Amino acid sequence: NAGVTQTPKFRVLKTGQSMTLLCAQDMNHEYMYWYRQDPGMGLRLIHYSVGEGTTAKGEVPDGYNVSRLKKQNFLLGLESAAPSQTSVYFCASSSVPGQGYYGYTFGSGTRLTVV
Amino acid sequence: AQSVTQLGSHVSVSEGALVLLRCNYSSSVPPYLFWYVQYPNQGLQLLLKYTSAATLVKGINGFEAEFKKSETSFHLTKPSAHMSDAAEYFCAVIMNSGYSTLTFGKGTMLLVSP
Repeated sequence: NAGVTQTPKFRVLKTGQSMTLLCAQDMNHEYMYWYRQDPGMGLRLIHYSVGEGTTAKGEVPDGYNVSRLKKQNFLLGLESAAPSQTSVYFCASSSVPGQGYYGYTFGSGTRLTVV
Repeated sequence: AQSVTQLGSHVSVSEGALVLLRCNYSSSVPPYLFWYVQYPNQGLQLLLKYTSAATLVKGINGFEAEFKKSETSFHLTKPSAHMSDAAEYFCAVIMNSGYSTLTFGKGTMLLVSP
């Protein structure tokens, strides 16, 4: 199984440009998440989804939008990129917490640089 | 609400020495707890997890962690460090209720010297 696949793996944007990061999972997980990782900050939750057609804000949602039109896909959009959005972005998915819960499965990350 | 504190942004050990990475958490309900490892320029790999079964949890690569409710701790240990253990380690907590999401600590970089 591929698990969680993120595309692209690397991207350089100019300030003000837009882009969409794609996350796809093949584990039939209900929940999906987008995190950003910055040095010394750990991983911080941007947005998440608890099911197809639903999204919710995380800790650092400003400047980002998301959509979950299909259960297996979770898209993260930057409408007008800013240098502060230079980061490594991780997507993850999980089953519903409960018996047999295994936590999150992470993608390999997208390294985004905004110049 | 939930939070995670990892004591020490960097920990240095000699090869063969004991590894101890500290993690304390706060959670209003019984938590699930995780340790992840990240090697340079890679994603996150699950080391081990606590999901309310045995309090001493064994993970991959010889690591283990003990859940201590009275101390709200979930410290990660390994008896003998190997050079290949050099990486960044993240502790994370999620509440066992509702639409809780995983909260990470800021990470501890483990440095292993020969």
